[in-house]
Amino acid sequence: DQQVKQNSPSLSVQEGRISILNCDYTNSMFDYFLWYKKYPAEGPTFLISISSIKDKNEDGRFTVFLNKSAKHLSLHIVPSQPGDSAVYFCAAIYRGFVFGPGTRLSVLP
Amino acid sequence: NAGVMQNPRHLVRRRGQEARLRCSPMKGHSHVYWYRQLPEEGLKFMVYLQKENIIDESGMPKERFSAEFPKEGPSILRIQQVVRGDSAAYFCASSPRGGGLNTEAFFGQGTRLTVV
Repeated sequence: DQQVKQNSPSLSVQEGRISILNCDYTNSMFDYFLWYKKYPAEGPTFLISISSIKDKNEDGRFTVFLNKSAKHLSLHIVPSQPGDSAVYFCAAIYRGFVFGPGTRLSVLP
Repeated sequence: NAGVMQNPRHLVRRRGQEARLRCSPMKGHSHVYWYRQLPEEGLKFMVYLQKENIIDESGMPKERFSAEFPKEGPSILRIQQVVRGDSAAYFCASSPRGGGLNTEAFFGQGTRLTVV
């Protein structure tokens, strides 16, 4: 049973527009959430995080929103750039890291 | 400051052979995680280790797979009698602690295992 879900396997967005990647979780004990980005043939790299005591964290073009009551978080990328094309993994921490299955983002020029 | 080092990057094994994958965590990190990524799939948790301890191995297949993280040296993921279905990318990540605020896991480049 997946504790961290990313229901959209893929997403295509036009360059310059907003990309919104979604993530849902089931374990209310998760207290820290992260987004990772992965290019082919490379390991995932950390992108941005948010603790369960916050509802928003922003870093440049990237903003993560957390809705604890809905057990939902999202990553907003604005404006989207072709170099953002990658697989994005949502992760949550309770004891150790639990990753979602990933969403493949394609930013079209 | 070297990141998480995995070796080899590519490993080819014949069916029935053993595969040993190594992971050296970042300096100061005592928590190691192994994940497997099958083609066109996401990261599947395999095992979570601290030095000399297995914390959670709920993602490890019951047979042929084992992992260790000794007091000295790298973490080893060992696959005995490999089969074609073991072909995948295996990623290792390390963190300074197992949870709490501001804990990020840092990943290695992965080992791509091909069983022929």
